[in-house]
Amino acid sequence: GAVVSQHPSWVICKSGTSVKIECRSLDFQATTMFWYRQFPKQSLMLMATSNEGSKATYEQGVEKDKFLINHASLTLSTLTVTSAHPEDSSFYICSARGQGRAEQYFGPGTRLTVT
Amino acid sequence: TQLLEQSPQFLSIQEGENLTVYCNSSSVFSSLQWYRQEPGEGPVLLVTVVTGGEVKKLKRLTFQFGDARKDSSLHITAAQPGDTGLYLCAGDTDSWGKLQFGAGTQVVVTP
Repeated sequence: GAVVSQHPSWVICKSGTSVKIECRSLDFQATTMFWYRQFPKQSLMLMATSNEGSKATYEQGVEKDKFLINHASLTLSTLTVTSAHPEDSSFYICSARGQGRAEQYFGPGTRLTVT
Repeated sequence: TQLLEQSPQFLSIQEGENLTVYCNSSSVFSSLQWYRQEPGEGPVLLVTVVTGGEVKKLKRLTFQFGDARKDSSLHITAAQPGDTGLYLCAGDTDSWGKLQFGAGTQVVVTP
């Protein structure tokens, strides 16, 4: 149990375009989902927290107009990187947490390359 | 600012040796989790510790949570090449369930 999927697993896009990444909890209801980015050989950096049906809470320094997060259902959250630039190239990982549970279960990540 | 200090940052050992990774903080955590991450993949949950002084074993891995719930350790006995990976500790500090991650320990086990 506790499987989280992400789609796509990798994407290459041109500068100025937008990219949407999906995160799904496959076998449990995720009341809270989290989005992280990770640079090579570094730990995870939390970008935002989203609760189903609510606006996402963004960490300091993360542009909410650039990284649009939607958590429309208990099994799906999306991250849209708008007007992507090369510096947005990174490994984006989502995680999901069930109500009343401490554990976060992570998706396999999405490698975004902006050319 | 990292609330969780993880050490060492890098560990290279031979197969069969033992290793310990430490995770320390001045904050009290309601729970602490250990993950292992391999290149190009998401972190995989290894264990969650909740009670101060708790010890959990997962085959050759032993996890301990400090009595004051501020620190934790991961000990691997007789390491194998399959144990290679980035080990991350993460503490749960608030009701939103946001995790504070350590910087990670890259473990390399050579045959």
